[in-house]
Amino acid sequence: AQKVTQAQTEISVVEKEDVTLDCVYETRDTTYYLFWYKQPPSGELVFLIRRNSFDEQNEISGRYSWNFQKSTSSFNFTITASQVVDSAVYFCALSEAYNNNDMRFGAGTRLTVKP
Amino acid sequence: NAGVTQTPKFQVLKTGQSMTLQCAQDMNHEYMSWYRQDPGMGLRLIHYSVGAGITDQGEVPNGYNVSRSTTEDFPLRLLSAAPSQTSVYFCASSYSTAQLSYEQYFGPGTRLTVT
Repeated sequence: AQKVTQAQTEISVVEKEDVTLDCVYETRDTTYYLFWYKQPPSGELVFLIRRNSFDEQNEISGRYSWNFQKSTSSFNFTITASQVVDSAVYFCALSEAYNNNDMRFGAGTRLTVKP
Repeated sequence: NAGVTQTPKFQVLKTGQSMTLQCAQDMNHEYMSWYRQDPGMGLRLIHYSVGAGITDQGEVPNGYNVSRSTTEDFPLRLLSAAPSQTSVYFCASSYSTAQLSYEQYFGPGTRLTVT
């Protein structure tokens, strides 16, 4: 079965620092989808990005950017000039086209941005 | 649109009691799912449904039942609550096709404590 590893349990930075959240995945499928979700202290889960395995272009959305590298099975997330409002738990997730009804999440990385 | 709604928000059960967590969505999504979130373990899929009348097991189905009589509703039943089922439960829905995997929209969660 597919697997997602987020090795960083907790990260603490000071406002305006850049921070990268790591995500490493395992899958036997050649077609798969990677996701990032944000869970702020209020508890809801917010979708950030979806990427399919055939699109290795990096993506930038404001202060957020994602680096997808199939060679290292990684889909890392960088926040530039972090802000206190970025404090949240961030989850990386994977679903395989072969069984796209089963999405596997990583354990999450808790990011704390201090003022 | 209300999106995905869940009731109740909080629940305390005694061991052995049964209850139903309610989930509804108004986006006409075919795919619905239930996850549990435990500290350090991310979200784990309990059950999912790809349409009315169709359900299947996820990664951690034991102790839970589901049914899908309408597109909108996907209740989760705890048959005989155990302390190990203390968790935060999230319902989610997404538009899905046979070949693609789309982002899921999550409800606000139900915090369940079993004593």
